[in-house]
Amino acid sequence: GQSLEQPSEVTAVEGAIVQINCTYQTSGFYGLSWYQQHDGGAPTFLSYNALDGLEETGRFSSFLSRSDSYGYLLLQELQMKDSASYFCAVGDNYGQNFVFGPGTRLSVLP
Amino acid sequence: DTGVSQDPRHKITKRGQNVTFRCDPISEHNRLYWYRQTLGQGPEFLTYFQNEAQLEKSRLLSDRFSAERPKGSFSTLEIQRTEQGDSAMYLCASSWGTSDNEKYFGPGTRLTVT
Repeated sequence: GQSLEQPSEVTAVEGAIVQINCTYQTSGFYGLSWYQQHDGGAPTFLSYNALDGLEETGRFSSFLSRSDSYGYLLLQELQMKDSASYFCAVGDNYGQNFVFGPGTRLSVLP
Repeated sequence: DTGVSQDPRHKITKRGQNVTFRCDPISEHNRLYWYRQTLGQGPEFLTYFQNEAQLEKSRLLSDRFSAERPKGSFSTLEIQRTEQGDSAMYLCASSWGTSDNEKYFGPGTRLTVT
């Protein structure tokens, strides 16, 4: 089986940097993904790490340490529109059984 | 708009009734997933298709739930004898290839069982 842990809420101000952590336990591992979901919207893909290290995509970066079963999403130059829920997700068995974490609600304050 | 569509967007039904939802994935995507999401929770995996074959089904899914993907195109999710606990957002997602980390989600069908 798989389980993931994330902080339930994070608050930061516009222009700041915030890190959302994710720890996981899985019987198999096929990468760590991050999704963003605004209230009333569908999850949208942000990033994916299959190997250890940092992946950067614009203002968002994602990090993975497979030995620690740990990853994080780093959001820089926060904007009000970044207020949303962020989910980490892991897949095993070639991504077939794809499980989401409980989500972290990010609130960006002016 | 991700290119994945779901119908209907909202469904209100009485306990005990059957409901069916449809998902049209991005046309070239061979993988299709169904998830269920309740307020404040992450999406919960229900089932997965590769082309027309249903390859994985959550052990948490009762026998009242069934899904099909005829011809490997659109998919339907049916819930028989609905219960109030079935009230949730039902999300469909599609992806391509063996490394399908990037899933495209539809807008979801919100089910309310009264």
